[in-house]
Amino acid sequence: DAGVIQSPRHEVTEMGQEVTLRCKPISGHDYLFWYRQTMMRGLELLIYFNNNVPIDDSGMPEDRFSAKMPNASFSTLKIQPSEPRDSAVYFCASSLGSSGVYNEQFFGPGTRLTVL
Amino acid sequence: KNEVEQSPQNLTAQEGEFITINCSYSVGISALHWLQQHPGGGIVSLFMLSSGKKKHGRLIATINIQEKHSSLHITASHPRDSAVYICAVGLNAGGTSYGKLTFGQGTILTVHP
Repeated sequence: DAGVIQSPRHEVTEMGQEVTLRCKPISGHDYLFWYRQTMMRGLELLIYFNNNVPIDDSGMPEDRFSAKMPNASFSTLKIQPSEPRDSAVYFCASSLGSSGVYNEQFFGPGTRLTVL
Repeated sequence: KNEVEQSPQNLTAQEGEFITINCSYSVGISALHWLQQHPGGGIVSLFMLSSGKKKHGRLIATINIQEKHSSLHITASHPRDSAVYICAVGLNAGGTSYGKLTFGQGTILTVHP
């Protein structure tokens, strides 16, 4: 298996532009997670999906952020409009779930976003 | 106060030394994860624990649920172990809590040859 795939790996954009980050989870995994990592705040969960349905988006910082999972093999995280404080590394992870938190999460390589 | 605290924040060791990284948490949890992040940025899951002890090669992870504490040990450390080690907990918060990991701030480990 190719693992979790994220694109692009690096994104540089100007303030106010729309940014779309993409993720392909491991085939067969039913949970998908979006995380953000910054020096100041470390790793934070933004949102997660189970069977393509958003379960908890309480970590999404504000309405400028939105995430979708139209099918089991694809998810997007969109920022519109982007701001310099959104600069971070965004990780996607997937896992094979059950009723508890006992399952290993597999992380993608991350997208390094820089908003000028 | 953060729900997950790691210590130390920075750790420098000589090759061959025994290393311990600690993680304390303040709430009830379903499971605890240890993650490794290499300088290139990729994150790998090392262990997931809900009780007792797990071993993988030179790495050992333990958890004490009553004391709300976990340790990650590295025996015979090697420069390739240099990375950031992150503790993450899945909180006890009901049936829809799956996946809500809360992360420690990470421990930066540098092992010199």
